[in-house]
Amino acid sequence: EAQVTQNPRYLITVTGKKLTVTCSQNMNHEYMSWYRQDPGLGLRQIYYSMNVEVTDKGDVPEGYKVSRKEKRNFPLILESPSPNQTSLYFCASSPGRGYYEQYFGPGTRLTVT
Amino acid sequence: GQQVMQIPQYQHVQEGEDFTTYCNSSTTLSNIQWYKQRPGGHPVFLIQLVKSGEVKKQKRLTFQFGEAKKNSSLHITATQTTDVGTYFCAGKGGNTDKLIFGTGTRLQVFP
Repeated sequence: EAQVTQNPRYLITVTGKKLTVTCSQNMNHEYMSWYRQDPGLGLRQIYYSMNVEVTDKGDVPEGYKVSRKEKRNFPLILESPSPNQTSLYFCASSPGRGYYEQYFGPGTRLTVT
Repeated sequence: GQQVMQIPQYQHVQEGEDFTTYCNSSTTLSNIQWYKQRPGGHPVFLIQLVKSGEVKKQKRLTFQFGEAKKNSSLHITATQTTDVGTYFCAGKGGNTDKLIFGTGTRLQVFP
């Protein structure tokens, strides 16, 4: 089954404790991205990747890092989480950027205390 | 930078009533996509419009792309409880490959 998986689905952590949210897709998609969803603000892009070893900042990249060492994986790293990073995070993949349907993962709800 | 706004932010309707959400961009768009997110779920692609003035239908859902390609609408006829969720539009600006998501409209349907 074609899908995007994320882990963990829920995470409660404390300020400053490094964490990684994993994202994996099995559709051989070139393009992957991370979004955060906050009430009233919609979906805002954090980082995206056009292909392996190619990543770029989205609209709200501060406090986040990503890597794309393999085509199928695109982990999101929070080196020193802060309470303003409490949010619902979605990973998405697509065959390309712009004109292509985005396939979203199930989401990761992160709470930073 | 490019901004995509949606109105209304929330809409509560009685089952059987119609519903419309509007998407407005600050710049001309190359395309517009619509997604639906059920409560507790993730956004799921519904449709893409590319041509000026384009209208597409999916059963009770009608999608329209404005003549100037700066706005779009989603109209649901005779809503059902299964239509509950948040509807997002997303558009690509002409000079970029970036897809910008709108702020979303949350629809609640009362039986």
